[in-house]
Amino acid sequence: GENVEQHPSTLSVQEGDSAVIKCTYSDSASNYFPWYKQELGKRPQLIIDIRSNVGEKKDQRIAVTLNKTAKHFSLHITETQPEDSAVYFCAASTISRDTGRRALTFGSGTRLQVQP
Amino acid sequence: AAGVIQSPRHLIKEKRETATLKCYPIPRHDTVYWYQQGPGQDPQFLISFYEKMQSDKGSIPDRFSAQQFSDYHSELNMSSLELGDSALYFCASSFNGGYNEQFFGPGTRLTVL
Repeated sequence: GENVEQHPSTLSVQEGDSAVIKCTYSDSASNYFPWYKQELGKRPQLIIDIRSNVGEKKDQRIAVTLNKTAKHFSLHITETQPEDSAVYFCAASTISRDTGRRALTFGSGTRLQVQP
Repeated sequence: AAGVIQSPRHLIKEKRETATLKCYPIPRHDTVYWYQQGPGQDPQFLISFYEKMQSDKGSIPDRFSAQQFSDYHSELNMSSLELGDSALYFCASSFNGGYNEQFFGPGTRLTVL
């Protein structure tokens, strides 16, 4: 099955700096890559996603890049703010061989701390 | 906008008891997913349903079962509870006509004593 690795596990930056989180995936059939932000005890919230037919997508201070050849994708947050502090999860969506339906495999998460 | 609804939000059970968690997906979403998240861990996929049929199975223990009903709500039934079952249980829903954007409910925090 799919395996998603995420680095770093923790990241501390100063307010206003940029933060980059990287993920790799193993299944070349994966074609959808969402990023979730999760605050302590709360639900994961979808913040941005990218599909395999594009290499980059941007939404205000957040951008995601995808390199299908190398099977890695990254989240970039610019001008970080204290409220960006949370755990960020990457995920990859693959087609189930048994059912043909999609499932999400998550990375292990990155705890981002933005120091004011 | 309507979101995924889960009930109850908190549940405390004793070992060997049973528990039932409920999930109401976003209207017009046809797929429901269940995830288990232990402290400090990533969400682990348990099981999913598409159009009331089981569509995929992850790391769901044999002691757990789930189903999706005609109104698309889903229930996760957990029996012979163990201490290790204490976790946050999230339900997510999506419309599988698209790229499977999954939206999560607020979760049920299960504590097994």
